Amino acid sequence: GQNIDQPTEMTATEGAIVQINCTYQTSGFNGLFWYQQHAGEAPTFLSYNVLDGLEEKGRFSSFLSRSKGYSYLLLKELQMKDSASYLCAVRPFDDKIIFGKGTRLHILP
Amino acid sequence: EAQVTQNPRYLITVTGKKLTVTCSQNMNHEYMSWYRQDPGLGLRQIYYSMNVEVTDKGDVPEGYKVSRKEKRNFPLILESPSPNQTSLYFCASSLTSGSGYEQYFGPGTRLTVT
Repeated sequence: GQNIDQPTEMTATEGAIVQINCTYQTSGFNGLFWYQQHAGEAPTFLSYNVLDGLEEKGRFSSFLSRSKGYSYLLLKELQMKDSASYLCAVRPFDDKIIFGKGTRLHILP
Repeated sequence: EAQVTQNPRYLITVTGKKLTVTCSQNMNHEYMSWYRQDPGLGLRQIYYSMNVEVTDKGDVPEGYKVSRKEKRNFPLILESPSPNQTSLYFCASSLTSGSGYEQYFGPGTRLTVT
């Protein structure tokens, strides 16, 4: 079966750093995506990893280890507007896309 | 402006009354997809389409139909809606089905079936 696990909720403080983990077990692997979704809105793309290692994009970075079936999203210098859900998604060998249930991140002032 | 549009945004209907949710993109994308999002279950793929006249089932296709007669449009059809199809629905598109191409999501359609 296909399974993606991520924590349900996390809380962090404005200005701090937070790491959101994602582990996956899928029939194949053809890339991993992270999306951000504010309450009541559509998801928006944050990052994509297909090879092992760290991809950095401004305050956000994403890491992948294919051998461990593991990824994380790192958010630095947290701002109140980062309060949102973060969705991990995997594309197996076919063209389906499987999403995790999302991690709701709360930022405290 | 590059975008994915969905209509209607909100819909309340009764069991068994056929309905269609439209989805259109203006980015000449080949890949389009429908998802439903439910509390505690996350986003689940209903159907996807790799190009015109090519569609395939996602993880939760039961009770839904789709068609892809034109590249820009990908309507979702509920022939006989039931209360368990009450959900938030998102249409999405990406340039191709190849890895690395991010999906652009429509604003969502909140459907209630009574």
